[in-house]
Amino acid sequence: DQQVKQNSPSLSVQEGRISILNCDYTNSMFDYFLWYKKYPAEGPTFLISISSIKDKNEDGRFTVFLNKSAKHLSLHIVPSQPGDSAVYFCAASSEGYQKVTFGTGTKLQVIP
Amino acid sequence: KAGVTQTPRYLIKTRGQQVTLSCSPISGHRSVSWYQQTPGQGLQFLFEYFSETQRNKGNFPGRFSGRQFSNSRSEMNVSTLELGDSALYLCASSLNTGGYEQYFGPGTRLTVT
Repeated sequence: DQQVKQNSPSLSVQEGRISILNCDYTNSMFDYFLWYKKYPAEGPTFLISISSIKDKNEDGRFTVFLNKSAKHLSLHIVPSQPGDSAVYFCAASSEGYQKVTFGTGTKLQVIP
Repeated sequence: KAGVTQTPRYLIKTRGQQVTLSCSPISGHRSVSWYQQTPGQGLQFLFEYFSETQRNKGNFPGRFSGRQFSNSRSEMNVSTLELGDSALYLCASSLNTGGYEQYFGPGTRLTVT
């Protein structure tokens, strides 16, 4: 039962353009969402998060949008840079649920 | 502040053997979680330890077990290894339990032959 889904296994974007990574969830108990970035041979690194009381959170070139009614969130990277090429994992948790549930990841390639 | 460390980084075992992986969290972090990463499956939650107590457990067989010591260091054990256990095992630490920002180690790459 995949409660957090990233339906696009890969995405290619030109340098300087916008990258949009999508994530859907099914568990209505989730109230906190996170994005992690993973380079090969390294562990995931926390990128940005959003609480369910918000619909948008920005941090530099990264913005996460949350649509609670659609149970959908997205990560926007503007402008995309070659160093952003990595696997991005969406994750969700809740105070009551306690554990973090990760999606399967989307491999982003930013083409110079 | 030192990051999360995992040892060993690479391991090759044969079917039927057992293995123990170690994780040292960031100083001051009391929660340690373990994940299994395989191609196409993302990060599958194994279990979380907080203050030496298992707080939550994923859907893995009893061959997978863990423990946490008083200094928050954690070990994960897999007994009677199967070929399907070949994966990257990641450890993550956080200040408290509750599933918020976690800091991951580089992982242990386990290959079962």
